[in-house]
Amino acid sequence: GQQVMQIPQYQHVQEGEDFTTYCNSSTTLSNIQWYKQRPGGHPVFLIQLVKSGEVKKQKRLTFQFGEAKKNSSLHITATQTTDVGTYFCAGRYSGAGSYQLTFGKGTKLSVIP
Amino acid sequence: DGGITQSPKYLFRKEGQNVTLSCEQNLNHDAMYWYRQDPGQGLRLIYYSQIVNDFQKGDIAEGYSVSREKKESFPLTVTSAQKNPTAFYLCASRTGQGPPGELFFGEGSRLTVL
Repeated sequence: GQQVMQIPQYQHVQEGEDFTTYCNSSTTLSNIQWYKQRPGGHPVFLIQLVKSGEVKKQKRLTFQFGEAKKNSSLHITATQTTDVGTYFCAGRYSGAGSYQLTFGKGTKLSVIP
Repeated sequence: DGGITQSPKYLFRKEGQNVTLSCEQNLNHDAMYWYRQDPGQGLRLIYYSQIVNDFQKGDIAEGYSVSREKKESFPLTVTSAQKNPTAFYLCASRTGQGPPGELFFGEGSRLTVL
């Protein structure tokens, strides 16, 4: 089946450092979503990217969708302890199964104060 | 307040017993989903339902069953045929019947089989 690969699996940063997580698909995505799950919590929607080359910003978070619509990244500038959690990308493919989202395995972010 | 309610939050069962997890939403959403989350494995789709009285298998449906008799409710039964049922189960919903937009998740049910 289709897979979305997400790296790294874990990332430890000092507070104030930047953080990036990457997602990659072998086939073209229709769109990609990003979610954040705090420790002990449930995933919460952050954003959806639809267009080739799209870049969206939310305060210190920058989301990119690749030109070929096969990869995406989430970059956090100057991390804070409130950024701690696991970040998931979730891709949607066209055609059969288009009503499903395929989740990456997530990147667990730890921020050292 | 609108949202998704899952119950119970924690559940312990013996091997061989069927277990039903409840998921109720008052968001008036058409589509509902069940995901399983294991450490380091992300979210894997068990079943989803686009509309009342209709549902489809996801990637890991074996050993699970669902029903969708009401728009608000989408219970998941973990049967004794599921070989490794200990996991964190998440229910989600979204508006509309078209391709998925934002998913709203419940707080999850953590099942431990002893």
